[in-house]
Amino acid sequence: GQNIDQPTEMTATEGAIVQINCTYQTSGFNGLFWYQQHAGEAPTFLSYNVLDGLEEKGRFSSFLSRSKGYSYLLLKELQMKDSASYLCYRGSTLGRLYFGRGTQLTVWP
Amino acid sequence: DGGITQSPKYLFRKEGQNVTLSCEQNLNHDAMYWYRQDPGQGLRLIYYSQIVNDFQKGDIAEGYSVSREKKESFPLTVTSAQKNPTAFYLCASSIGSQGKSPLHFGNGTRLTVT
Repeated sequence: GQNIDQPTEMTATEGAIVQINCTYQTSGFNGLFWYQQHAGEAPTFLSYNVLDGLEEKGRFSSFLSRSKGYSYLLLKELQMKDSASYLCYRGSTLGRLYFGRGTQLTVWP
Repeated sequence: DGGITQSPKYLFRKEGQNVTLSCEQNLNHDAMYWYRQDPGQGLRLIYYSQIVNDFQKGDIAEGYSVSREKKESFPLTVTSAQKNPTAFYLCASSIGSQGKSPLHFGNGTRLTVT
């Protein structure tokens, strides 16, 4: 299969740093994406990794290790509005896209 | 501005009726996708199309049908054969079909069947 695994839920406090992990099967890998989704809304694009290493975009960073089939999304200086579901998905050379179930992050004051 | 539009935002139907969800994009994207999302769940792929006049089944295609007669349009029909159609439906598009570019999502259609 093409399982994508993420933790179901995470909690953190305002101002803290949180790391959301995502593991995937490496066969036919073609890029790893992270999205944010607030309840009842469409997902919005956060970041994309195709090569190993860290991509930084303001308070959000994403890391990829292709050999390990592993990625993480790092959120710094957490704000209440960061409470959302975070989805990782991977592209495939077979033309398919595979989504994880999403990690529901709750940020407490 | 370019984008992807789904309509309507909310849709109510009686059991046994077919219903068609609209998805239009003016991004000139080749690939289009339909996903279903149930409460607390991730996105599950229903159908996808990599090019006009061609489409493939996703993981949960039973009870659904699609067409791709124009590059801009990828309507989804939820048939009476779909046993549990109430869900949030998301349409998406991308430049290529192999996951090298981000998906652009529409705002979704929430379908309720009673």
